[in-house]
Amino acid sequence: GAGVSQTPSNKVTEKGKYVELRCDPISGHTALYWYRQSLGQGPEFLIYFQGTGAADDSGLPNDRFFAVRPEGSVSTLKIQRTERGDSAVYLCASSPGTWGSYNEQFFGPGTRLTVL
Amino acid sequence: SQELEQSPQSLIVQEGKNLTINCTSSKTLYGLYWYKQKYGEGLIFLMMLQKGGEEKSHEKITAKLDEKKQQSSLHITASQPSHAGIYLCGADGRTYKYIFGTGTRLKVLA
Repeated sequence: GAGVSQTPSNKVTEKGKYVELRCDPISGHTALYWYRQSLGQGPEFLIYFQGTGAADDSGLPNDRFFAVRPEGSVSTLKIQRTERGDSAVYLCASSPGTWGSYNEQFFGPGTRLTVL
Repeated sequence: SQELEQSPQSLIVQEGKNLTINCTSSKTLYGLYWYKQKYGEGLIFLMMLQKGGEEKSHEKITAKLDEKKQQSSLHITASQPSHAGIYLCGADGRTYKYIFGTGTRLKVLA
């Protein structure tokens, strides 16, 4: 079956612009996660959805970042007024269940965002 | 908060050689995951360890979680160029948030 997909694979934008990054999780997975990976670092947690609701958005760096998952499937990460420091690979992952069941997270290929 | 430290940060080995990557946690590990990442690609799940002393193998890769559950090692036997990439350990620390190490960059010379 299909894995987690993310679009676009690469996004180049100018400082101050608005961008949207899309994640299609594995069908049936209720949990969805966004991570950000800067060069030379491991992924850092941004936000976790259980169904349609953001169960934990404590990893979002500031209010320029926002994510939605309106129908409990596809999610969009939105970044307003992009800054050069936002340049990173944004990874999406999904898992079948809820916290506590040691669910493996399945990762997408990521979107490489470059802010000029 | 929990932190994961990986060593070495980078590794270059000759094809056929064995190698070990370590992952040390600042707190007890409840679920420890090993992933492999290649440039431009997502994380590929390798193995998950939960119990102290647990050891799992897949092809030429073996991972262990020590008895105290604060350190894990990943061992590759007879390395091949296809093993090259970035190896990441991740921990869930009994939350949904994975905490990742900074990764070990492996290069295998043919």
